[in-house]
Amino acid sequence: GAVVSQHPSRVICKSGTSVKIECRSLDFQATTMFWYRQFPKQSLMLMATSNEGSKATYEQGVEKDKFLINHASLTLSTLTVTSAHPEDSSFYICSARRGGSNQPQHFGDGTRLSIL
Amino acid sequence: AQTVTQSQPEMSVQEAETVTLSCTYDTSESDYYLFWYKQPPSRQMILVIRQEAYKQQNATENRFSVNFQKAAKSFSLKISDSQLGDAAMYFCAYREGANFGNEKLTFGTGTRLTIIP
Repeated sequence: GAVVSQHPSRVICKSGTSVKIECRSLDFQATTMFWYRQFPKQSLMLMATSNEGSKATYEQGVEKDKFLINHASLTLSTLTVTSAHPEDSSFYICSARRGGSNQPQHFGDGTRLSIL
Repeated sequence: AQTVTQSQPEMSVQEAETVTLSCTYDTSESDYYLFWYKQPPSRQMILVIRQEAYKQQNATENRFSVNFQKAAKSFSLKISDSQLGDAAMYFCAYREGANFGNEKLTFGTGTRLTIIP
């Protein structure tokens, strides 16, 4: 099967801290990875699409300088929440797609980010 | 813009019974994919079933099947012989079928399914 690992699973840190979240495809190469944000009892909202070797494509309303995405290899994408504030507290989920555009996305376990 | 609507925030079903979760969507595209994802308390999103819009035949995966009505833009999920492990949040999702690299998933707001023992 297609396994996507996301680390860390939970982060609690002080306001002003930058936090990095990793998303790895363990048994396949992912040319495209996606980053979502999920508020409590709500749906997933796409933040950005990350393609290996190129700049991420951000959804409208998502600050690219706030949420830095790096997709340096076919198996790793990182999301860095810079100078995090309490309003950034949320559940962040990554997904990765193996192969062409007709392939489904496989999701990581998510990261619970809590900013004090 | 594409939208996905799940009008049932919560559903419950007796164990071993059948339940149907509703989903409607709005799009002007003719080529797209539809998905049902399951998010159990562990929070990992798991793909349950998917349907290509160009296929008339409804997708099935073991106890899970869909009723895809393209003209009505409806995509319901039927779970047969419900099991306790089916308890989760279920999300309907839409994706364009264009052969680009950045197609995004648009999710509905979810339906929380409870299985009654």
